[in-house]
Amino acid sequence: DTAVSQTPKYLVTQMGNDKSIKCEQNLGHDTMYWYKQDSKKFLKIMFSYNNKELIINETVPNRFSPKSPDKAHLNLHINSLELGDSAVYFCASSLREAQGPQHFGDGTRLSIL
Amino acid sequence: SQQGEEDPQALSIQEGENATMNCSYKTSINNLQWYRQNSGRGLVHLILIRSNEREKHSGRLRVTLDTSKKSSSLLITASRAADTASYFCATDWAQGAQKLVFGQGTRLTINP
Repeated sequence: DTAVSQTPKYLVTQMGNDKSIKCEQNLGHDTMYWYKQDSKKFLKIMFSYNNKELIINETVPNRFSPKSPDKAHLNLHINSLELGDSAVYFCASSLREAQGPQHFGDGTRLSIL
Repeated sequence: SQQGEEDPQALSIQEGENATMNCSYKTSINNLQWYRQNSGRGLVHLILIRSNEREKHSGRLRVTLDTSKKSSSLLITASRAADTASYFCATDWAQGAQKLVFGQGTRLTINP
């Protein structure tokens, strides 16, 4: 069974479009995250939620809006996509905030044409 | 910036040899973690070492932590082709926000 699953795996779309990425974890963890990994493999946190409550919003443009309907799900909606949004987006979860091991999904590769 | 830095950025060795990767960071931490990322996959947690620990082992992995130098090393002994991956260190911040900060990783290639 996949512990952290995100869909879709690939997303190719045009500038200006709106898209969503979904993430689900079946580990019973309290905390979930979104990370962005750029072409140089630099991984940077975007958001974290603990029990559906937003904990970290790391100076991400307002075009990015996370939503956590329950503690097992954390979705990411992106409005008005820009070329610079091209990256791999990873969802992750941990038992508690930050300090323990994090479990990652396999990423969503977003390509903006 | 709290960002960690790995060294070297890339490492290529023969199967069976040992691989050593280093990580430096800038602020006091609660713990340091190492992750592996295979091509096209998510990060996989390898080992966590707390700030009051100096060395930790897990199978063929050995991690050291020197808080006075703000550095850590990951040693993989008797490397295998399957160890080919990128390796990242991640630190939290003892006085700061509840988040992990990742370095840019070391790309390890094991040649058969």
